[in-house]
This record gives sequence, structure tokens and C-alpha cells, in this order.
Amino acid sequence: DAGVIQSPRHEVTEMGQEVTLRCKPISGHDYLFWYRQTMMRGLELLIYFNNNVPIDDSGMPEDRFSAKMPNASFSTLKIQPSEPRDSAVYFCASSLTSGTGTGELFFGEGSRLTVL
Amino acid sequence: AQSVSQHNHHVILSEAASLELGCNYSYGGTVNLFWYVQYPGQHLQLLLKYFSGDPLVKGIKGFEAEFIKSKFSFNLRKPSVQWSDTAEYFCAALTGGGNKLTFGTGTQLKVEL
Repeated sequence: DAGVIQSPRHEVTEMGQEVTLRCKPISGHDYLFWYRQTMMRGLELLIYFNNNVPIDDSGMPEDRFSAKMPNASFSTLKIQPSEPRDSAVYFCASSLTSGTGTGELFFGEGSRLTVL
Repeated sequence: AQSVSQHNHHVILSEAASLELGCNYSYGGTVNLFWYVQYPGQHLQLLLKYFSGDPLVKGIKGFEAEFIKSKFSFNLRKPSVQWSDTAEYFCAALTGGGNKLTFGTGTQLKVEL
């Protein structure tokens, strides 16, 4: 299996621009998570989906952030407009539940975003 | 709300030294616990996990962790670290049968030759 695939790996953009991060989860996994990692705040859960449906978006910092999962093999995290404080590494992760739920997350390589 | 605490933010050790990284969680019910590792420039990978049974869990690369329910702790240990263990280590907890992992703030380990 190719694992969780994220793109782009690196993005440098200017304040005010729209940023779209993409994620392809592991085939067959029914949960998808978006995390943000910064030096100051560590790993923060932004939002997660179950069977393409958003379950908990309480970690999304503000209305500038939005996430979609149009199908089981694709999700996007969009920031519009972007700000310098959004600079971070954004990780996508997926997992497979089997009744009780294993909780093991498989992470992508991350998308490093720099907003100038 | 549940939380996970890692009190050691930065640890520096010499090769062959023993390692213990602290992790405490705040949740009184059923909890599943994990340690993830992030090597420089890489994504997070699972080191080990505890669901039930033997509270001493063995993971990859010689790591182990002990679940002590009375102390709400799940400390990570390795008897003899190697330079290649230099990485950031994250403790995480999954509670109440849910699917939302809560991570600690991470511990940056540097192993010197």
C-alpha cells in the first residue's frame, strides 16, 4: 500500500492567497484526520471525517479554514485567505475501525506551509 | 476534557544511556494509549500501543512502555539508546471508544555519539 499521500509537500505563499492541501487516505480506511503541527502548540487536531462525513471540526481555528471529503479517497483542507500565523506542517492521517476501534493512525508525510 | 502531558520537552542523552520519557493522561475511564515517533523530516510512526492485558508493552526498535493505571501514566523506556533514536516522541490517548486521538506536546530526544 502506498500509505497516506499528501500534496504539496512544501508550499510558500503570500499573505491573502488561497491555499489548498490535498490528502489521499489509505484505501479502505474509514476515518480521516487533519492535524496541524507547530513549535508553539505541538500537534493539534483540526477536523476528522468518518465515511466522508465531518464528525468534529471543533479544532478548526476560524472560518478561514475549511475541509471537505467528497469521496473516500480524497480530502482537501483549504485556507482562504492565508495569514503568516498559518505557517505550520499540516498532516493528514487515516485509520480503520473494526468495531472496537484500533485508534492506530497512519500519517502522511505532511505539507509544510509557509505564508509570507 | 481529556489531556495528555509530557513533562520532558527536550532530552539529551549519550549513546548507550537508558531512556525514560514521561507521559500522563487525565481520564478516568477506559483508555487506549500510544507512543508515536517522528524522525527528522519524516511523518509520525507508531512505536507501540496499549489496549488491555499486560501493562508492559513492547514495541519496535527495543522500546517498551508501562501502563500504570493508579498513576495515570504510560512512560516510554529503552535500556540503551542509539544515535538513530534521535527524534521527537509523542504520547497519545484514545478514550471512551472514540476515534479522536489526543496527543501530548512531544519530547525532543537528541542522542549524542
